[in-house]
Amino acid sequence: NAGVMQNPRHLVRRRGQEARLRCSPMKGHSHVYWYRQLPEEGLKFMVYLQKENIIDESGMPKERFSAEFPKEGPSILRIQQVVRGDSAAYFCASSRQGAESSGNTIYFGEGSWLTVV
Amino acid sequence: AQSVSQHNHHVILSEAASLELGCNYSYGGTVNLFWYVQYPGQHLQLLLKYFSGDPLVKGIKGFEAEFIKSKFSFNLRKPSVQWSDTAEYFCAVNGGNTGKLIFGQGTTLQVKP
Repeated sequence: NAGVMQNPRHLVRRRGQEARLRCSPMKGHSHVYWYRQLPEEGLKFMVYLQKENIIDESGMPKERFSAEFPKEGPSILRIQQVVRGDSAAYFCASSRQGAESSGNTIYFGEGSWLTVV
Repeated sequence: AQSVSQHNHHVILSEAASLELGCNYSYGGTVNLFWYVQYPGQHLQLLLKYFSGDPLVKGIKGFEAEFIKSKFSFNLRKPSVQWSDTAEYFCAVNGGNTGKLIFGQGTTLQVKP
């Protein structure tokens, strides 16, 4: 059973370009979360999605960032007009259900490292 | 608002030493608590979790944590660390009915052989 798959693992973008990060949840999981880890900091929640719906985007920057989880295909985190401060590790996670309960665990992918030059 | 605080940012221990990493959270309602570990260059792995019941939770690799509700704490412990425990450790809390986790800033553990 494949885990949460993220690609690319490493992405380099020049300032002003767009970055697209993809996440395929574990099989059977319909809930996806994106987290960002800045250097020397812990993980910060960005957005929580179910298929075709954004449930909670309270951690998303107001501009340039967007996320989707279409009916078919992976979840995409899109960053437009990247700036140096966007350089970070972006982790995707998935769970079978949204509500944490016994046996329902959030599984993390290996992360995508974005470097803006 | 929920928040998680990990008091130790960087811990250095010798092999066989005992480990305790502090974690305090703030949240007014029922919470679920987690410890994750991130080995160098790898993804986060769940060490243990607390939802309800026995406040002393045992996880993988000999780790355990104790939930003390009155202190809003969920400290991670291991009686005897190994060099392979060198990693970053994150405490996280989830309240409410979503899977949204609030993480602490992490503790880097370095175990010297």
